[in-house]
Amino acid sequence: DTGVSQDPRHKITKRGQNVTFRCDPISEHNRLYWYRQTLGQGPEFLTYFQNEAQLEKSRLLSDRFSAERPKGSFSTLEIQRTEQGDSAMYLCAGGTSGIFEQYFGPGTRLTVT
Amino acid sequence: AQSVTQLDSQVPVFEEAPVELRCNYSSSVSVYLFWYVQYPNQGLQLLLKYLSGSTLVESINGFEAEFNKSQTSFHLRKPSVHISDTAEYFCAAQGSSNTGKLIFGQGTTLQVKP
Repeated sequence: DTGVSQDPRHKITKRGQNVTFRCDPISEHNRLYWYRQTLGQGPEFLTYFQNEAQLEKSRLLSDRFSAERPKGSFSTLEIQRTEQGDSAMYLCAGGTSGIFEQYFGPGTRLTVT
Repeated sequence: AQSVTQLDSQVPVFEEAPVELRCNYSSSVSVYLFWYVQYPNQGLQLLLKYLSGSTLVESINGFEAEFNKSQTSFHLRKPSVHISDTAEYFCAAQGSSNTGKLIFGQGTTLQVKP
């Protein structure tokens, strides 16, 4: 158990709806990452927070995606106007500055119908 | 471009046989390298890492990986696999930015047969 939790674990939504996912790292994790994993592929980086500041966003993160980490603790990832191509596993990972490991949560599996 | 390549998508092997899962990385990523394992219906777990020092790194469950700078490789090996090693294995490298983001390979499914 890495101590990183994600909610919900599964989400089924209809195309065009908005969805929001939550990630809770442990308190020591000042770094927080979001990744997306599609079937048969490795995780792809989406965005990175150091404390509450969003310091890097991938080009994969279209304007329909937004992420926040308001108090430097939990984080949310929102997808607006979902598309079928958004169907994937969304992974959150926590880390600590100066320590290279990232600790992954169980993921949220999104299915857009 | 920053990339990590896992050359085999699936590796079937019999129990107690040796196994090697291959990983190559582009020279544009950092040399902080990782292997993660994903057991069925579970999250990614760190298996082992290379940061510096000895080029041979080991995990607690018998896996080892060797960093080879000249061949830009970080292959994972185990001399004798168990059924319980059946899982998806991901090689990853830290990107060249200071954020610590990981660049993952496509993954290799290790199927251990009795």
